[in-house]
Amino acid sequence: AQSVTQLDSQVPVFEEAPVELRCNYSSSVSVYLFWYVQYPNQGLQLLLKYLSGSTLVKGINGFEAEFNKSQTSFHLRKPSVHISDTAEYFCAVLDTGRRALTFGSGTRLQVQP
Amino acid sequence: AAGVIQSPRHLIKEKRETATLKCYPIPRHDTVYWYQQGPGQDPQFLISFYEKMQSDKGSIPDRFSAQQFSDYHSELNMSSLELGDSALYFCASSLRLAGGPDTQYFGPGTRLTVL
Repeated sequence: AQSVTQLDSQVPVFEEAPVELRCNYSSSVSVYLFWYVQYPNQGLQLLLKYLSGSTLVKGINGFEAEFNKSQTSFHLRKPSVHISDTAEYFCAVLDTGRRALTFGSGTRLQVQP
Repeated sequence: AAGVIQSPRHLIKEKRETATLKCYPIPRHDTVYWYQQGPGQDPQFLISFYEKMQSDKGSIPDRFSAQQFSDYHSELNMSSLELGDSALYFCASSLRLAGGPDTQYFGPGTRLTVL
């Protein structure tokens, strides 16, 4: 079964600093990876996705992620964060058999002034 | 752009009552997924429908049932509610691509509280 692991449950960072949220996956077949963001008391918003092609994926709100097959990673990065980026971030892998997403445990990004 | 609509947004029920959650997918999307997110947990897949037929099943309790209607909206029916059913229930929709991965877009969720 495919799975993802988010190594950090919380990441505190100061405003305008760079940030990296880590995600590692396990899969023996073609892998499709996603990052979603959940703001407090809201739904899940798609940030970006890797389906195929270029390993560097750019998403919304200035976020990007790099698919690294040798390290089985799909880390999310932003060069300069804002207070408004404070949220829970979920990495997810698509189970191609069930066509359902399997989520990591989430990383809470806390941007401090 | 139109998004996934869920209703109601909040629902409070007593133990052993029933609840019905509704989901209206993005126009022209043919697949609907239901997920459950417990407090402080990641979302867990419950069930999905493609073209009005059940497609896949996850960790959905036998007390829950769901269906997709001719207009593609879906309803999740929950009976004999338990305290542990208190959670955020998400619906997601996608346009299924033959032989390829589809991208799921989520609604705002329904927060169910069982007292």
